[in-house]
Amino acid sequence: DAGITQSPRHKVTETGTPVTLRCHQTENHRYMYWYRQDPGHGLRLIHYSYGVKDTDKGEVSDGYSVSRSKTEDFLLTLESATSSQTSVYFCAISESSGGAYNEQFFGPGTRLTVL
Amino acid sequence: KQEVTQIPAALSVPEGENLVLNCSFTDSAIYNLQWFRQDPGKGLTSLLLIQSSQREQTSGRLNASLDKSSGRSTLYIAASQPGDSATYLCAVGSSNTGKLIFGQGTTLQVKP
Repeated sequence: DAGITQSPRHKVTETGTPVTLRCHQTENHRYMYWYRQDPGHGLRLIHYSYGVKDTDKGEVSDGYSVSRSKTEDFLLTLESATSSQTSVYFCAISESSGGAYNEQFFGPGTRLTVL
Repeated sequence: KQEVTQIPAALSVPEGENLVLNCSFTDSAIYNLQWFRQDPGKGLTSLLLIQSSQREQTSGRLNASLDKSSGRSTLYIAASQPGDSATYLCAVGSSNTGKLIFGQGTTLQVKP
């Protein structure tokens, strides 16, 4: 299995509080991604990173920010959590953006509940 | 906008049966297509990756095919086993940034 860990694995928080989720990889892959998975919507991309300090928005980026100060860590922040952000969050990595190395590997997920 | 559809949403088969899972996409300009498996409450496990220039990939009892012109991929599972019970997701890489667009998945139950 690819070396990807996510922390915390479970979190319950209250509306309006800030939340930061961490993704850590030991594969030295360049690309990192944050997805959320919801019933009826499947997996949707929130933000992704194509290098240290290089990030871009995905399909559902509103209300989320990201940072990547080191190759191995990609942080997802909910500045002020809302109930609509209750979801399972997955981090993924890939070695390259295209060609034969674009296989994405996923972390175990973080289950976030916003009350 | 790329859309990915997987039909059926759920499938139940007896053990030992060969089966096919379907994935269709609306825009044929793809970089690759990836099949994943997800067990309940778990993350995604990559099964097969097909590059846009390839027609199929095989791993053990799994075979995935890709027909870009018709916007279709199939995942063939031979001699199904109860341990194959899971949700199978296909995802299309539609840009050179590696972003994946996912289907909703097919939940497979293999009965002993």
